[in-house]
Amino acid sequence: NAGVTQTPKFQVLKTGQSMTLQCAQDMNHEYMSWYRQDPGMGLRLIHYSVGAGITDQGEVPNGYNVSRSTTEDFPLRLLSAAPSQTSVYFCASSQGQFREKLFFGSGTQLSVL
Amino acid sequence: RKEVEQDPGPFNVPEGATVAFNCTYSNSASQSFFWYRQDCRKEPKLLMSVYSSGNEDGRFTAQLNRASQYISLLIRDSKLSDSATYLCVVNLGGNQFYFGTGTSLTVIP
Repeated sequence: NAGVTQTPKFQVLKTGQSMTLQCAQDMNHEYMSWYRQDPGMGLRLIHYSVGAGITDQGEVPNGYNVSRSTTEDFPLRLLSAAPSQTSVYFCASSQGQFREKLFFGSGTQLSVL
Repeated sequence: RKEVEQDPGPFNVPEGATVAFNCTYSNSASQSFFWYRQDCRKEPKLLMSVYSSGNEDGRFTAQLNRASQYISLLIRDSKLSDSATYLCVVNLGGNQFYFGTGTSLTVIP
């Protein structure tokens, strides 16, 4: 099993550019989510999904869009990148709602110039 | 107000020492609780779940006090390999996991 696969590992964007961070899991997990991690801020929830076709906002959703057309994939879109979106992004999945652990992808280091 | 607050650290302890981390959460409706470990520039990985009755996994002991909305992690006989950042995590349900900012631990030879 590959687990949770995130691409790319590193990305540099110019302000105003758009891009999509890819996330795929092969564990048939219903729940998927995106986090950003900034120094001194911990991981903050951006968007999450409880199943295909269902998404919802987390703590810091502004500037990001998501969709969940399949169980396996949960891409994160930046429509117009801003320097404030420079961060490390993690995708995660879990099978259940409560006691199930989160499985994380290896992260994407994004820099917006 | 943050959902989860942790000791800021950093903690620098000698090998063999016992160290304790604390965490508080703000939402009394929180459903489940965890400690995650994160090594430098890596993804977080589950260390242990935290149960109301307290639970132990080898040298690690976790405690939960729902009345005080307080979670703790105790590490006994610290090893060099325990050096990492420890994240307190709370699940509000429906895949809404909230993370503390993390506490950095360095175990010194």
